[in-house]
Amino acid sequence: QSVLTQPPSASGTPGQRVTISCSGSSSNIGSNTVNWYHQLPGTAPKLLMYVNNQRPSGVPDRFSGSKSGTSASLAISGLQSEDEADYYCAAWDDSLNGWVFGGGTMLTVL
Amino acid sequence: VQLVQSGAEVKKPGESLRISCKGSGYSFTSNWISWVRQMPGKGLEWMGRIDPTDSYSNFSPSFRGHVTISADQSISTAYLQWSSLEASDTAMYYCARHVYGGNSEFDYWGQGTLVTVSS
Repeated sequence: QSVLTQPPSASGTPGQRVTISCSGSSSNIGSNTVNWYHQLPGTAPKLLMYVNNQRPSGVPDRFSGSKSGTSASLAISGLQSEDEADYYCAAWDDSLNGWVFGGGTMLTVL
Repeated sequence: VQLVQSGAEVKKPGESLRISCKGSGYSFTSNWISWVRQMPGKGLEWMGRIDPTDSYSNFSPSFRGHVTISADQSISTAYLQWSSLEASDTAMYYCARHVYGGNSEFDYWGQGTLVTVSS
């Protein structure tokens, strides 16, 4: 059972907009920033979004992040086949004094 | 920036193991390193982190006492070590670099080390 809660799966057709949610608590998302990572099959995770809504260099602006209270979300617009991956949210947890991840969301492009 | 991890390992229950993560392309002591476990078909789990400057480390409650994390500045390498492996330690292990302090995001990841523990 992950500390942060994500839907196990999400899907969309090419060109659509999809949103992945991440729910936490006051000790993690409620008091710290959220980062998102994506992982293509058989590869290491990569940073996709940091400090809630900042994109690392090279990440297209089709990806956007937001945070409100104890929840965060990742939106992908103009969905493309190469967006098929697992997506994880993460935040520092003040009570656990450590990082916590969501369980991951498998995104399928239909 | 690169984090290069040691190769896959096959071990028996009760054996010890140390896997490594060598940083290059940056000043190794400027960034904390974390270790992350991914069990087969499962999600990411944070294990612990280390400040290579002074080797201060802390762990997730789930892993405290079962693994140790260390670092050797002289060769820009961080380590994850077990003294007695269990079958449930079978997983892919990733090292990841923090942007700066240990509370910052992971900006670079190693390629992963697959550890298989089986009798």
